[in-house]
Amino acid sequence: QKEVEQDPGPLSVPEGAIVSLNCTYSNSAFQYFMWYRQYSRKGPELLMYTYSSGNKEDGRFTAQVDKSSKYISLFIRDSQPSDSATYLCACLSSNTGKLIFGQGTTLQVKP
Amino acid sequence: GAVVSQHPSRVICKSGTSVKIECRSLDFQATTMFWYRQFPKKSLMLMATSNEGSKATYEQGVEKDKFLINHASLTLSTLTVTSAHPEDSSFYICSARRTDTQYFGPGTRLTVL
Repeated sequence: QKEVEQDPGPLSVPEGAIVSLNCTYSNSAFQYFMWYRQYSRKGPELLMYTYSSGNKEDGRFTAQVDKSSKYISLFIRDSQPSDSATYLCACLSSNTGKLIFGQGTTLQVKP
Repeated sequence: GAVVSQHPSRVICKSGTSVKIECRSLDFQATTMFWYRQFPKKSLMLMATSNEGSKATYEQGVEKDKFLINHASLTLSTLTVTSAHPEDSSFYICSARRTDTQYFGPGTRLTVL
């Protein structure tokens, strides 16, 4: 079993739709949770960073963490074609400082 | 803030040559940097952790004599792929740790002919 599981998709939605991206993790030592966006042939870009259960909002993006069920989500409202990318969830172990990534979900937002 | 650069962005070399890739944190100091490798349509694979002023820590299966890492300052880490072969062709990405997260560089695409 992978430490971080993420549905690779691909996920295709119409412009304006609400997108829900999800990951589960198994290691209780993970304390910090991140979502990265990666465009083709580019490095990952940090979108959201959370460390406690609950919601964190930034513009059209909302990150949600439920530590009791080891579940993390990213919601994108009013999705745009420019949101088309691969989204990677990542968990950080404070012990090692290493990021453990999910497989990444490829999202396509159609105009 | 939290900008990480990589140079070069793309390199093509002949088999047997060595290639150096630089990773710089431009607006913060990073005592720890990481090097990843990414294959097409795959997630990032951690190769090694680079610590300023000490030896790098390599992940299992990564040849340390093949992938030489130097972290000479708080803003610069280098990865040298020695005696590169076609199977080393890949997308190499560095990241720099800042508090409890990592910021990534734009990546370097290496093609070995």
